[in-house]
Amino acid sequence: SSELTQDPAVSVALGQTVTITCQGDSLRSYYASWYQQKPGQAPVLVIYGRNNRPSGIPDRFSGSSPGNTASLTITGALAEDEADYYCTSRDFSGNHQGVFGGGTKLTVL
Amino acid sequence: QVQLQQWGAGLLKPSETLSLTCAVYGGSFSGYYWTWIRQPPGKGLEWIGEINHSGSTNYNPSLKSRVTISVDTSKNQFSLKLTSVAAADTAVYYCARGQGGATDYYYYMDVWGNGTTVTVSS
Repeated sequence: SSELTQDPAVSVALGQTVTITCQGDSLRSYYASWYQQKPGQAPVLVIYGRNNRPSGIPDRFSGSSPGNTASLTITGALAEDEADYYCTSRDFSGNHQGVFGGGTKLTVL
Repeated sequence: QVQLQQWGAGLLKPSETLSLTCAVYGGSFSGYYWTWIRQPPGKGLEWIGEINHSGSTNYNPSLKSRVTISVDTSKNQFSLKLTSVAAADTAVYYCARGQGGATDYYYYMDVWGNGTTVTVSS
């Protein structure tokens, strides 16, 4: 089975741009999707497919997926963006189960 | 607006069976992958398994021997059973709607339940 690797923690100054990455072989077959999770809340989908945002997600969130690395970029980070971010895709082998990255804790300074 | 409402027992003893149900309101039940995910305290998300409207299932290999996901299309509900629970199964359990199958190039979960906290303790 495949794994998705994320940096455990990333920080960004208020108003600056930050990129969170997710690496794994399955990303050569499937676009990553990205989720924001704040303490005590369920995850919220922020990016899916090539670079699609669900209704209500601000356009400062964007995604890209070249090769085996997917990226979530927040352009002009706000204090409210401080959260845990998870990527997911399907495993490219076996039963194509869902797989999550380990998550990245984003701190907005 | 699709909503998922989940419920089930929150406190179990070791060796008991965890049982959770998730009801789908406000949308079609067909064409999606109805998914269970869990999150142990202070840790990341773990994909447990999924079922489609016709009852075809797919499980995390690490849990497959203990997991059963079933569907009741007449009620637009799907359920999770996890047998022989232990302290390591203590987690918040989420149900979610998945989109994108094995032959698609995308996969995501766009609607989530609020989560059910399950504690396993003697």
